[in-house]
Amino acid sequence: GAVVSQHPSWVICKSGTSVKIECRSLDFQATTMFWYRQFPKQSLMLMATSNEGSKATYEQGVEKDKFLINHASLTLSTLTVTSAHPEDSSFYICSATGTGATEAFFGQGTRLTVV
Amino acid sequence: GQNIDQPTEMTATEGAIVQINCTYQTSGFNGLFWYQQHAGEAPTFLSYNVLDGLEEKGRFSSFLSRSKGYSYLLLKELQMKDSASYLCAAMDSNYQLIWGAGTKLIIKP
Repeated sequence: GAVVSQHPSWVICKSGTSVKIECRSLDFQATTMFWYRQFPKQSLMLMATSNEGSKATYEQGVEKDKFLINHASLTLSTLTVTSAHPEDSSFYICSATGTGATEAFFGQGTRLTVV
Repeated sequence: GQNIDQPTEMTATEGAIVQINCTYQTSGFNGLFWYQQHAGEAPTFLSYNVLDGLEEKGRFSSFLSRSKGYSYLLLKELQMKDSASYLCAAMDSNYQLIWGAGTKLIIKP
């Protein structure tokens, strides 16, 4: 099946710094990528949807200036958490679909800890 | 609005059968997905149904009734490694996945 690679798997950063998370589709063209956040013992919360070459669509309550999403190519999307704070510590997961795809393929997830 | 409902938690015994139900309401419908998620890991794909009926895949089967907005995931011959959260997701007319909160399945020896 299709593979989505997410990097890094885990990261620890200091409060106030920025962290970039990459999501790559390795064997298909990801026309749409989704970014999720998952707090412990909770379900996936959609943060934003990005289509290649377009601005991301953010869910209500998600600050677009804090969570910068770039989807400049059909194989790469990035999420940058700017000026991270301890409350941003969470599990971030990307998923990708291609044209006409009937399944969303997930990256491995990134465990972010802000200290 | 769009909504997915599934039980929060279920408990079953090793070797037994368990059925996890899911009801959905979406704007348009392009299929129903089941994912398994172990703690601290990303979800992994289990099944996809877009037509009514039962799809069997080894120990796991998934059923869909579009007229009832209802699906279930059936797990047979339960093993301890099946302890996980099971996420139900419906794809709407925009091909966006609407996620349920997940059902935590606890398997006891």
